[in-house]
Amino acid sequence: QKEVEQDPGPLSVPEGAIVSLNCTYSNSAFQYFMWYRQYSRKGPELLMYTYSSGNKEDGRFTAQVDKSSKYISLFIRDSQPSDSATYLCAMSDPNSGYALNFGKGTSLLVTP
Amino acid sequence: NAGVTQTPKFQVLKTGQSMTLQCAQDMNHNSMYWYRQDPGMGLRLIYYSASEGTTDKGEVPNGYNVSRLNKREFSLRLESAAPSQTSVYFCASLGGARGGELFFGEGSRLTVL
Repeated sequence: QKEVEQDPGPLSVPEGAIVSLNCTYSNSAFQYFMWYRQYSRKGPELLMYTYSSGNKEDGRFTAQVDKSSKYISLFIRDSQPSDSATYLCAMSDPNSGYALNFGKGTSLLVTP
Repeated sequence: NAGVTQTPKFQVLKTGQSMTLQCAQDMNHNSMYWYRQDPGMGLRLIYYSASEGTTDKGEVPNGYNVSRLNKREFSLRLESAAPSQTSVYFCASLGGARGGELFFGEGSRLTVL
């Protein structure tokens, strides 16, 4: 079993919908939690970053971390066609050189 | 700002051939990483270098070697390519004010026939 589990989708929603993306993990040593966005044929880019349990909001994006349940979420409000991409959750253990452990990624399509 | 630069962007090899993927970053980051990305498998860590002069194995190191040539450059070598190494390879460096943020290159698409 991988340390990070993520439903690969694909997920298709109409423009304006609220999107919920989720990951679970098994390693209690993970301390940093991130969401990366990857457009087709591009490298991943950091979207959201959290360290502690709770919510963090940035514009239309909200990242949520529940360390007790080992569960993280990304919410996208008022989704736009430009949000169509693959979203990867990632987490790291500082004692392992900050090497990120990625989920498999969820493919999201927002249709006009 | 170039960020993380990978070369080549595309490469086709025959089984048994060797090649080196080059990576350079201009952000003065200490740590650098090589990942491979395969459909349905996500990103998997091959090797990483926490600092100049050190390298460590990741999740899938077999069939690869790495060299941290200096602080800027981290290369990945396939000594005898196999079809199972057909993948997209990403180099990344660790930085950012937030810690734990990886900056990725654009990727190198490798096909082994």
